[in-house]
Amino acid sequence: AQSVAQPEDQVNVAEGNPLTVKCTYSVSGNPYLFWYVQYPNRGLQFLLKYITGDNLVKGSYGFEAEFNKSQTSFHLKKPSALVSDSALYFCAVRDWGINKFYFGSGTKLNVKP
Amino acid sequence: NAGVTQTPKFQVLKTGQSMTLQCAQDMNHNSMYWYRQDPGMGLRLIYYSASEGTTDKGEVPNGYNVSRLNKREFSLRLESAAPSQTSVYFCASSEEAREGYGYTFGSGTRLTVV
Repeated sequence: AQSVAQPEDQVNVAEGNPLTVKCTYSVSGNPYLFWYVQYPNRGLQFLLKYITGDNLVKGSYGFEAEFNKSQTSFHLKKPSALVSDSALYFCAVRDWGINKFYFGSGTKLNVKP
Repeated sequence: NAGVTQTPKFQVLKTGQSMTLQCAQDMNHNSMYWYRQDPGMGLRLIYYSASEGTTDKGEVPNGYNVSRLNKREFSLRLESAAPSQTSVYFCASSEEAREGYGYTFGSGTRLTVV
């Protein structure tokens, strides 16, 4: 069965420090992986995706994610966190031939000044 | 601005009442989706429409019905609301119902059933 796990409900980081939001996945075929961000009272916004190619994917707002097939992970990273990065982050996987996304439970990122 | 528009933004219903959540997109996308978001559970797919004229059940379809009125509009109906349907509902659209295409989300409808 397809699934996505975000093991941390919350991540706390000081502004200027690097951040990592973790995601692991389980799919039966080739994974198509996405990260979305949700600001309060807003819909989800697309950050980046991995389809194929380079394992390091760069996205919006300075975020990047590293695809690791052997560890079935797709962790979201940013070298220097901003207070404005504070939001809810969702990892999602779209399986080959399956017309559905599977979302993780979300990780709340708190960046403190 | 182009995107996905949901109405209403907020709604309070009494148990047993019915209502329809409206969703429209102006990006000429083929696929549309309804999700509900509950704390600690992420987003769960209720129904989706891969293309105009088709609809399919997702993970949690019970208590809901949908209509793909045309290519732009995809509505979600609660026939007899229950407190368990208190949630935030998101509509999304995708250019294609295929692997490499992401979603564009609406801003959500916050529904409370008392």
